[in-house]
This record gives sequence, structure tokens and C-alpha cells, in this order.
Amino acid sequence: AQSVAQPEDQVNVAEGNPLTVKCTYSVSGNPYLFWYVQYPNRGLQFLLKYITGDNLVKGSYGFEAEFNKSQTSFHLKKPSALVSDSALYFCAVRLLNTNAGKSTFGDGTTLTVKP
Amino acid sequence: EAGVTQFPSHSVIEKGQTVTLRCDPISGHDNLYWYRRVMGKEIKFLLHFVKESKQDESGMPNNRFLAERTGGTYSTLKVQPAELEDSGVYFCASSPRSRGTEAFFGQGTRLTVV
Repeated sequence: AQSVAQPEDQVNVAEGNPLTVKCTYSVSGNPYLFWYVQYPNRGLQFLLKYITGDNLVKGSYGFEAEFNKSQTSFHLKKPSALVSDSALYFCAVRLLNTNAGKSTFGDGTTLTVKP
Repeated sequence: EAGVTQFPSHSVIEKGQTVTLRCDPISGHDNLYWYRRVMGKEIKFLLHFVKESKQDESGMPNNRFLAERTGGTYSTLKVQPAELEDSGVYFCASSPRSRGTEAFFGQGTRLTVV
């Protein structure tokens, strides 16, 4: 079985400050890890993924995430938040070499960036 | 290139009625998935098509839900009869045949059963 935990329902940051959206996972094997974002009235958009290699992955809109195997975490980060980053963020995990649609998602974290 | 499109974007129906959701995947994507998010919780897998065949329907909640993908192109998800607990956002996603990719999602259909 695989699972994802996003411990914070809401994250609030001021524009220009760094942001972190937390994600921990559980999977019996090597994971694929993903972050998706949902802007208001839009679909889920892919942000970034970790498969193998460098633990720090860079994605769209200046976001990055760090894979930490010992802590089973994949926190999403951005050095300087923008108001336009305000959205709902989902972390997802699936086993390596499984189909793209077999991902398990977290409950989502609402990020609010205030000017 | 067009993305995954879903129709309608919103639907409000009464308990006991029937609703059909449609998903048009990205052209050429063999894999098509349905998910739903209810009550602000996690996005849960419903089922997976490979072309017109149901590969995995382990996430379908009960037999009031029927998904089809005739011809291996667009897919429909019918709820009949709808119950209050079916309210939520239904997402469709597609991916190409290769396994090392992410899924591409549509904008979702927000279903409200009253």
C-alpha cells in the first residue's frame, strides 16, 4: 500500500518570503514523486517530479522539491513567493514502473500568498 | 496541442437523477483515468482505461457508476441514480503508453447532488 500525507491544510506566507509545502510518503519500493497545482477554476497542472538521480528537482514557476529518502519526504519549496502562487497543491506518489494513473494523492494544501 | 478537456465544468442535479460526465484525453494517449475528490479530501483513483479496455476499476465506489470509452477515444462516466455522497470534483487524466511519465489532468467537473 502507498500513502501520502500533507500535514498542513493551509500555508500562509507573505509575498517575497520563502515558502515550503510539506509532503511525506509511504511506499513499499522505489517511489516516483510528484507535485501538482490547481489554480482556481483550473485543472491540475504538473509542477515537477522525482524519479531518480539528483535529490533536488526543479520544476515550473520557480518551484523545487527535495527528495529525502531517510525522512520519506518530498517538500515543495520556492525561495520567493508570489501572490500568483496562491493555489491548491497536491503531492502524489506511485511505485517506480507502475502506470501513471496509479498515483496516490495527498489531501492537498492551500497556499495563500499575501501582498 | 489541446489538453485534457472535461464537460460539463459544473453540474447540479437532484438526488436520484442521472448525470453523464465526459472526458476527451490528449490525442494519442492510450491511458485514460478517472479520479474524484470529495469533501476536500484526497484525490482518489476510480478507474483506468487502456484504449477502450478497462484495465483497473478497483476504485469505482459501487455499481451506480458506469464508465465507458468506446473506440478508445473519449470517455464517459455515468452516475445513475446519483446520491448526495457523490458530490465532488471528478477529474479525468490521460497519459501516453510509456510508464515513466506523469498524467495530464483536465480541469475537472464539479458535481453537486442536492
